[in-house]
Amino acid sequence: DGGITQSPKYLFRKEGQNVTLSCEQNLNHDAMYWYRQDPGQGLRLIYYSQIVNDFQKGDIAEGYSVSREKKESFPLTVTSAQKNPTAFYLCASSTGTGLEQYFGPGTRLTVT
Amino acid sequence: AQSVTQLGSHVSVSEGALVLLRCNYSSSVPPYLFWYVQYPNQGLQLLLKYTSAATLVKGINGFEAEFKKSETSFHLTKPSAHMSDAAEYFCAVGGSNYKLTFGKGTLLTVNP
Repeated sequence: DGGITQSPKYLFRKEGQNVTLSCEQNLNHDAMYWYRQDPGQGLRLIYYSQIVNDFQKGDIAEGYSVSREKKESFPLTVTSAQKNPTAFYLCASSTGTGLEQYFGPGTRLTVT
Repeated sequence: AQSVTQLGSHVSVSEGALVLLRCNYSSSVPPYLFWYVQYPNQGLQLLLKYTSAATLVKGINGFEAEFKKSETSFHLTKPSAHMSDAAEYFCAVGGSNYKLTFGKGTLLTVNP
């Protein structure tokens, strides 16, 4: 079955540690996205990538980093510079401009 | 620039009653419009999409939405609510780039 996988489902880290969230897709989509979701705030775009080896900052990129070395993979690193990293993180992919995005199941990160 | 406003962060209906979730958008180009549903601790699932074909769009689970350009609206409806419809619903707009802009979501509660 084609889809998007995110791992792990739940992640716990101590403050000051970097952590990397995994996102893999087998839909053969060119574009991939990372969103952060907090209660009552909808989805906020962190980074997106239209093609391999290229990515752009979204609305809340500070404290995050990404890479896109393979079409299938778009990992997100939450660095220690992110002031409030505890949130639900969603990865998505799409075929291109303006078109629907398909979402993974999400990773809930808790930093204490 | 694109924006989405979902009127009502929380809507409560009785089982069997009409569901109406409101979405207004702004876009500088002809929009692509989407409704997504999210169940607790899960990713977003596409309900339906408008991509400039028919203005009345039918989606999964008995939902439909009507694109009204004059009102810049794309409200989601379902004639008869079911308990399984309880979830959070997001409206989104896409345009000339790879990004979607999401509303803040409407939590639908269905009472027995």
